[in-house]
Amino acid sequence: ETGVTQTPRHLVMGMTNKKSLKCEQHLGHNAMYWYKQSAKKPLELMFVYSLEERVENNSVPSRFSPECPNSSHLFLHLHTLQPEDSALYLCASSQDDTDTQYFGPGTRLTVL
Amino acid sequence: AQSVTQLGSHVSVSEGALVLLRCNYSSSVPPYLFWYVQYPNQGLQLLLKYTTGATLVKGINGFEAEFKKSETSFHLTKPSAHMSDAAEYFCAVSEGHSGTYKYIFGTGTRLKVLA
Repeated sequence: ETGVTQTPRHLVMGMTNKKSLKCEQHLGHNAMYWYKQSAKKPLELMFVYSLEERVENNSVPSRFSPECPNSSHLFLHLHTLQPEDSALYLCASSQDDTDTQYFGPGTRLTVL
Repeated sequence: AQSVTQLGSHVSVSEGALVLLRCNYSSSVPPYLFWYVQYPNQGLQLLLKYTTGATLVKGINGFEAEFKKSETSFHLTKPSAHMSDAAEYFCAVSEGHSGTYKYIFGTGTRLKVLA
């Protein structure tokens, strides 16, 4: 595997379910990001981890819970989501948190 | 505060014609500027970036962009459109010189290439 990978690519869940999104980067980077991409809206930065420590949380609802166990892996734990949370969730990584970000293919989430 | 404006949410060009996608930004410090492309059902792929130095930046797939400080612009061009260029294009700005990671993205421009 090369670059940034995300699993699953598609996820359908009910509002009471708990699920997790996984991101893995194979680039040796030390910063990772979660973005939300909704139709007709700019990409929204959700969380930033640098050297495995969270450095940004852009007022994201607590039903989204990130986890960064090491510099290569990033998770987004989901619980009791709302239909408006349906979107494409993109993971990105960079070498140092000021450098160019490289994106994964995204997880298309649908909340019923 | 930083912001990015992409003029035209949809642009159509004929195959072989010039592609011009517009991006204007605002930033309180010298910006880092990026263009990304997103093909259907895929993530964002970096096309090119400007940080310092030469203001005309060449990227992948024949695209280039010019940083014009006086116009606060970073427009993306390609001399001759190809059908495979049909995608959504995003301009982004960051204040990398200030040691911050935060990207601000535009709302995107969907490019359609007509045969």
